[in-house]
Amino acid sequence: GAVVSQHPSRVICKSGTSVKIECRSLDFQATTMFWYRQFPKQSLMLMATSNEGSKATYEQGVEKDKFLINHASLTLSTLTVTSAHPEDSSFYICSATTGASGGLYNEQFFGPGTRLTVL
Amino acid sequence: GESVGLHLPTLSVQEGDNSIINCAYSNSASDYFIWYKQESGKGPQFIIDIRSNMDKRQGQRVTVLLNKTVKHLSLQIAATQPGDSAVYFCAENDSGGSNYKLTFGKGTLLTVNP
Repeated sequence: GAVVSQHPSRVICKSGTSVKIECRSLDFQATTMFWYRQFPKQSLMLMATSNEGSKATYEQGVEKDKFLINHASLTLSTLTVTSAHPEDSSFYICSATTGASGGLYNEQFFGPGTRLTVL
Repeated sequence: GESVGLHLPTLSVQEGDNSIINCAYSNSASDYFIWYKQESGKGPQFIIDIRSNMDKRQGQRVTVLLNKTVKHLSLQIAATQPGDSAVYFCAENDSGGSNYKLTFGKGTLLTVNP
């Protein structure tokens, strides 16, 4: 159980276009989803936290108007990279958790990632 | 801000040897720690976790040690196999802050030589 999928797995786009990445929890309801970005040979950096039915919370330095996040249902969150540029080329990874439980940590289940290349 | 870091960026071992991957964390409020394995082009895979009220936790072929005094975490892999070759990340959580957010360390590339 606890499978998270991402689509597409790879995408190549031209500079200036927008790209949408989907993150789905396949066998559980995800109250909270996270979006990470990972550059080559680097660690995962949290971009934003997405709660179903509310606006995403962005980390410092992440442009909310450039990285649009929509968490419309308990099983789907989308990340749209608007007006993509070559520097946005990266590996984007989502994770999902079932939600709060008395302050205890809830395990994050990670998706397989999406490789974005902007030409 | 506070961050989680690693002493060794790369580690090369012979098949069958034991591997030890280290991690130093700086947030003294962190109370939950996780080790992840990430293979090339894939998402992180949960390996083992430990809460701050424990010093040691064992899984199948893996052991995590936590030293809160010096804020150090380690992952020990017994009888390392070629399939263990990957990048290993430690991650920490401060449940007193946001009980969801993870901060990842820099990662260690483990290479297992046959």
